[in-house]
Amino acid sequence: AQKVTQAQTEISVVEKEDVTLDCVYETRDTTYYLFWYKQPPSGELVFLIRRNSFDEQNEISGRYSWNFQKSTSSFNFTITASQVVDSAVYFCALSENMEYGNKLVFGAGTILRVKS
Amino acid sequence: GAGVSQTPSNKVTEKGKYVELRCDPISGHTALYWYRQSLGQGPEFLIYFQGTGAADDSGLPNDRFFAVRPEGSVSTLKIQRTERGDSAVYLCASSLSPSATTGELFFGEGSRLTVL
Repeated sequence: AQKVTQAQTEISVVEKEDVTLDCVYETRDTTYYLFWYKQPPSGELVFLIRRNSFDEQNEISGRYSWNFQKSTSSFNFTITASQVVDSAVYFCALSENMEYGNKLVFGAGTILRVKS
Repeated sequence: GAGVSQTPSNKVTEKGKYVELRCDPISGHTALYWYRQSLGQGPEFLIYFQGTGAADDSGLPNDRFFAVRPEGSVSTLKIQRTERGDSAVYLCASSLSPSATTGELFFGEGSRLTVL
């Protein structure tokens, strides 16, 4: 069965610090997708990234970067020079069903608090 | 509006009552999903529509839950004989395509259901 574990329940940092959110997943499939979503206080989940299991290249988008390591079944997310606006709940998710790619299994989320 | 719209944003009901939650997806999005998010948890998949038909309802917890999408646009999630354990935020999402390779999920802000 699929499972996503986000061991960090809550992280607090001071503005401008770097922070890494951990995600470990379990799946029997060799083909799957991994995602990160951000949930600000408004409640609306915002898509951040999608990565397929064949592409282990790390990705950088502005202050965000993602480290995908198949060998350790991890897909970690780093925010560089954090800002107060980054405060939110962040969810890692997994999809095995490539046809219904958006049937996602989510982790429990990590609450990120960035203090000024 | 441009985004996924959900009504009501908040619903308080008594145990045993019937509840309907409505989702208006982004225009042109054929794929529609319902997820449920309990406090402190990640969203859990309930049901997926492709057009008018429920392509996958494997996440519905029991037969008290039912969803429809009669014209392939607006969807209604219906809960009969509500129980206190049904209290959660019900999230709706839509995507242009059901495939993980091309379809990004756009979420609404959710309907918070409280069963007293």
